[in-house]
Amino acid sequence: DAKTTQPTSMDCAEGRAANLPCNHSTISGNEYVYWYRQIHSQGPQYIIHGLKNNETNEMASLIITEDRKSSTLILPHATLRDTAVYYCIVKSGGGSNYKLTFGKGTLLTVNP
Amino acid sequence: DAGVIQSPRHEVTEMGQEVTLRCKPISGHNSLFWYRQTMMRGLELLIYFNNNVPIDDSGMPEDRFSAKMPNASFSTLKIQPSEPRDSAVYFCASSPGLPEHEQYFGPGTRLTVT
Repeated sequence: DAKTTQPTSMDCAEGRAANLPCNHSTISGNEYVYWYRQIHSQGPQYIIHGLKNNETNEMASLIITEDRKSSTLILPHATLRDTAVYYCIVKSGGGSNYKLTFGKGTLLTVNP
Repeated sequence: DAGVIQSPRHEVTEMGQEVTLRCKPISGHNSLFWYRQTMMRGLELLIYFNNNVPIDDSGMPEDRFSAKMPNASFSTLKIQPSEPRDSAVYFCASSPGLPEHEQYFGPGTRLTVT
């Protein structure tokens, strides 16, 4: 699976949009981009995933560049409860590729 | 849906004792995963079941660790004998099963071995 690069930490003001970048320059055609987050003392939580097109759900939007070498997770109106470590994971969709490899992620701190 | 349920939430035991962690996956999910998280090593996959069958246990640290899934609604992770280096948070996750599907994690069991 392709390697990802994320900033170690980011800050965001409450009520503002949080834009979390992820570089995955070695991504291949059948690999999906997944985003999970882990709030302190809780289990990881699935946020969103995509292959080529931009995706949106009730939690966030995922913007994938046309060349698929990078993506951005957008939390449109960050709240204090969004403070967490956010993980960008690239994984192929093949039958044997069930493993999620969590890196160090980005610690997002939402400030009042 | 109640989500993935794990018990106990906290476990403190002495070195050498047997520890059993339990997991109830989300109903209808046919894939189940056990992970371990420590500060030093981050989140590691221990074992993966599909349709109650262990598919990959290459992440299990050693023979002291064993996992079972006797039916679609229950799984256990057992450590016998436990050692202080087993202290960690153990997460169970389940998935609808298709490779691209997301995994849903339980709240974890914090294990402390003294």
